[in-house]
Amino acid sequence: GAVVSQHPSRVICKSGTSVKIECRSLDFQATTMFWYRQFPKQSLMLMATSNEGSKATYEQGVEKDKFLINHASLTLSTLTVTSAHPEDSSFYICSARSLASSNQPQHFGDGTRLSIL
Amino acid sequence: GDSVTQMEGPVTLSEEAFLTINCTYTATGYPSLFWYVQYPGEGLQLLLKATKADDKGSNKGFEATYRKETTSFHLEKGSVQVSDSAVYFCALSNRANNNDMRFGAGTRLTVKP
Repeated sequence: GAVVSQHPSRVICKSGTSVKIECRSLDFQATTMFWYRQFPKQSLMLMATSNEGSKATYEQGVEKDKFLINHASLTLSTLTVTSAHPEDSSFYICSARSLASSNQPQHFGDGTRLSIL
Repeated sequence: GDSVTQMEGPVTLSEEAFLTINCTYTATGYPSLFWYVQYPGEGLQLLLKATKADDKGSNKGFEATYRKETTSFHLEKGSVQVSDSAVYFCALSNRANNNDMRFGAGTRLTVKP
């Protein structure tokens, strides 16, 4: 089945550091990738939709200068949390949708747990 | 806009008990419906799906039937195991909304031996 790889799985770093998270579709092409944030014991909150070759679409209340998204190819999207602070600590999950089947389910990565000290 | 409502948890069951997690939705047109499962510390895995009315999705002993008349997609399993302990998310994807996915709040299931 479709596989999405997300890296790293866990990051612990100091306040003020910028952190980059990668999301790759391993065996399919994805025109669209999604970035979610999940707080403890809560559902997923869509942060932005990443479209290959164009600017990402951010959900209301999500700072685009804080969460930089790049989708340079059909298999890779990156989320960079710039100048991270403790309140940015969270579980970030990406997902991808196959180019060939836009009405099929999204496939999720295993998530990245970000801890800012 | 489209939305998904699922029963609040947490749900605690004994092994071999019957499981039902209710899910209802609001959407225009004919969305596709999904159940995802999230094990501790992991991302979401697709559990099952149904793309049209009266379809039944099934996987690993779990089932859900797309009921358009009641706008529901309840998840059921006849005999749960400790390994089924996880958070379950009901979701929909609607072609009328660019196939953006909407998730329910999630229901945490704990199965005790």
